[in-house]
Amino acid sequence: LAKTTQPISMDSYEGQEVNITCSHNNIATNDYITWYQQFPSQGPRFIIQGYKTKVTNEVASLFIPADRKSSTLSLPRVSLSDTAVYYCLVGSSGNTGKLIFGQGTTLQVKP
Amino acid sequence: DAGVIQSPRHEVTEMGQEVTLRCKPISGHNSLFWYRQTMMRGLELLIYFNNNVPIDDSGMPEDRFSAKMPNASFSTLKIQPSEPRDSAVYFCASSFGPGTYEQYFGPGTRLTVT
Repeated sequence: LAKTTQPISMDSYEGQEVNITCSHNNIATNDYITWYQQFPSQGPRFIIQGYKTKVTNEVASLFIPADRKSSTLSLPRVSLSDTAVYYCLVGSSGNTGKLIFGQGTTLQVKP
Repeated sequence: DAGVIQSPRHEVTEMGQEVTLRCKPISGHNSLFWYRQTMMRGLELLIYFNNNVPIDDSGMPEDRFSAKMPNASFSTLKIQPSEPRDSAVYFCASSFGPGTYEQYFGPGTRLTVT
């Protein structure tokens, strides 16, 4: 399983764009990159997933360079309610595939 | 759909007692996961099932822990005997498949062993 490295914490202000970068140097050919969000006292929630280039949904964008050794989660115009822990995971599908949650990045959005 | 349902939401028990946590996955999902979260160790995958069959239980800490999935709509995680170090939030999640499929997490069970 590819190991991921991401900053432990980040601070931002309301209305700003936040970019959280995750390193996964040992990503395998059939691995996907997935991001989850966790609010206090709740289970994690899926945000976005991608394999290469750029993926965008109503919540975030995910940028993946050609070598796929890193990825960046972009949150546009954050609000106080975006304060949460963000996890970057790398894993493959298949019957024995599983996702391993690392320590995550604690994002604190300030007014 | 009501989402993943876990019970109880909170459990306080004494050391040595048996604890059973319950999970009802989302209907139609084929994979079920049990996680444990603590401040020290973060979110750990304990075991996961695919089509009711345990696929990987390498995360189960020791023989005191056991998990079953007798059918597609129910799973249990049992700790016997419980110890104070088992205190944690236990999450159940389900998905259409293992690996990259989106996992839907339940609200968790906060277990306190005194």
